[in-house]
Amino acid sequence: QVTLKESGPVLVKPTETLTLTCTVSGFSLSNARLGVSWIRQPPGKALEWLAHIFSNDEKFYSTSLKSRLTISKDTSKSQVVLTMTNMDPVDTATYFCARMVGRGQPDFDYWGQGTLVTVSS
Amino acid sequence: QSVLTQPPSASGTPGQRVTISCSGSSSNIGSNYVYWYQQVPGTAPKLLIFRNNLRPSGVPDRFSGSKSGTSASLAISGLRSEDEADYYCAAWDDSLSGLFGGGTKLTVL
Repeated sequence: QVTLKESGPVLVKPTETLTLTCTVSGFSLSNARLGVSWIRQPPGKALEWLAHIFSNDEKFYSTSLKSRLTISKDTSKSQVVLTMTNMDPVDTATYFCARMVGRGQPDFDYWGQGTLVTVSS
Repeated sequence: QSVLTQPPSASGTPGQRVTISCSGSSSNIGSNYVYWYQQVPGTAPKLLIFRNNLRPSGVPDRFSGSKSGTSASLAISGLRSEDEADYYCAAWDDSLSGLFGGGTKLTVL
């Protein structure tokens, strides 16, 4: 059974760095056909793709947020970590991690439940 | 504002056929597959259509996708009350980033 679960702080202050962890089960992060993306959704707004990491550690980032994002993985722990620096209230959103099948296509077959992160002082 | 453009809303009565459009450019829809997701508010999105017009196992054949040039469409026939949700198109961009549309809220009247 494939599952993904996001974890991290519920509340962060402006200018702080957000660190989120996606713990996966039912598949390996070393599987060459699979990768993990982070996607966010501000309350009442659309989905926004943030970053992706492939099994070979190749990484892709949102063009508009690239300077603030870092994605990494620990295959032995089955975890994918996203850090976002200089958080702002506009970054308040539900953050999802999702499994991508294949390369370079938004084919997300499994999603985590999402974690709501609020940015406020 | 999303790079992939969708109408913010759509509606239909039970049994009707509804289509939702998604417009992009040559660097995304024009050169890559289109995917469609259904999201009931408060839950994670669910893959509805992959590679332009294929349905994952378990998705009813009432849902269909198509693509032409830099645009794509999702059609829902035999509309049912449980189809009321938000629908998002998605595509990869040649700049090596993923894109989602702005979403379309479907109301079943």
